[in-house]
Amino acid sequence: DSGVTQTPKHLITATGQRVTLRCSPRSGDLSVYWYQQSLDQGLQFLIQYYNGEERAKGNILERFSAQQFPDLHSELNLSSLELGDSALYFCASSASGATDTQYFGPGTRLTVL
Amino acid sequence: DAKTTQPPSMDCAEGRAANLPCNHSTISGNEYVYWYRQIHSQGPQYIIHGLKNNETNEMASLIITEDRKSSTLILPHATLRDTAVYYCIVRVNNAGNMLTFGGGTRLMVKP
Repeated sequence: DSGVTQTPKHLITATGQRVTLRCSPRSGDLSVYWYQQSLDQGLQFLIQYYNGEERAKGNILERFSAQQFPDLHSELNLSSLELGDSALYFCASSASGATDTQYFGPGTRLTVL
Repeated sequence: DAKTTQPPSMDCAEGRAANLPCNHSTISGNEYVYWYRQIHSQGPQYIIHGLKNNETNEMASLIITEDRKSSTLILPHATLRDTAVYYCIVRVNNAGNMLTFGGGTRLMVKP
């Protein structure tokens, strides 16, 4: 158990809908990272937040957005969902924004029908 | 970030040591070598990391060559539960340091 929690575990929705994925980092960790893992793309970095502020952006679509709240939990919002958004979404956390080790949560499996 | 090259798959007999190689010939002086593994569709699990020296923890050992252009992850006594995809990642030492995952090595531990 990494100490990172993600909810929900599974999410099934329809095209065009909007969903919110939630992540609680390990106690004391300030940085949260979101990654997407689809069958054809592998694990890809989406976005990082550090102590409430966006720190880095990867291959995140404009339809996706994230935020980190004062209690340091983070939410990833996915809107206008398409079939290709079906994937595993992982959250990771680390103690600071430097070279600290990232610990991953169990993931949310999103299925768009 | 420096790129890494790993064999796509390897087999190992249960109880034997599993030696997983990684090439990172373009690594620069401030880049660390990290190893993660992913068992089925679970979240990637941190194993070990190092800069120059060899490292050992309760899970594995990491051997980095003197020129730092390659490394080997050693699982001393592989079990069936070690069957997973193992990722070798070289990571820059600055803010916004996401992990860049390649294809990894699919390790199959066989009875």
